[in-house]
Amino acid sequence: GAGVSQSPSNKVTEKGKDVELRCDPISGHTALYWYRQRLGQGLEFLIYFQGNSAPDKSGLPSDRFSAERTGESVSTLTIQRTQQEDSAVYLCASSLLESSGANVLTFGAGSRLTVL
Amino acid sequence: AQKVTQAQTEISVVEKEDVTLDCVYETRDTTYYLFWYKQPPSGELVFLIRRNSFDEQNEISGRYSWNFQKSTSSFNFTITASQVVDSAVYFCALSGLNNAGNMLTFGGGTRLMVKP
Repeated sequence: GAGVSQSPSNKVTEKGKDVELRCDPISGHTALYWYRQRLGQGLEFLIYFQGNSAPDKSGLPSDRFSAERTGESVSTLTIQRTQQEDSAVYLCASSLLESSGANVLTFGAGSRLTVL
Repeated sequence: AQKVTQAQTEISVVEKEDVTLDCVYETRDTTYYLFWYKQPPSGELVFLIRRNSFDEQNEISGRYSWNFQKSTSSFNFTITASQVVDSAVYFCALSGLNNAGNMLTFGGGTRLMVKP
């Protein structure tokens, strides 16, 4: 697609439920990133995929969070047993793999999660 | 560890004023990249500029200019003759050549409000 697409754009759930957030990166972008942005705050790194592999999972806040990527394309971020502190905008970004560290990320519009 | 500090959480100016957004970073990498992104009210982050650590030349793009000072670890962003459409949250970010995750470390953002 022309840009990074995320769904749902808005999700309201009850505490304790599981949620899945989806990201469709730009076609051909081998790198994919998930960030979390709490209200009025900066971006918190969650996880990064190079192809279908995630070399760095250290940013995931707890074992309730998991992510996968298939076909070097779509990625799903799953939050199990959601808590109110999980309420945030979850941003996905993708990039070409330029020389390490130089990647320009293209961001999606985000999925706003509200846990009641 | 890498760190980006944007000390100004919020700035308010009147249209046509010049405004400078500060960014100070910390890294142990000898090669690294610095970025600025804009997040308008719609929420989608927009890439503005990338600068590598070996290029200390200042850059100007229309009303935007960037001042990279390696000696003070700063990468400040100036908007000349600000306009209402410049109102957004601006993020400074850092990525390192030796960063295995290839992820960007973001500052906390500066909310710029330009009043007519």
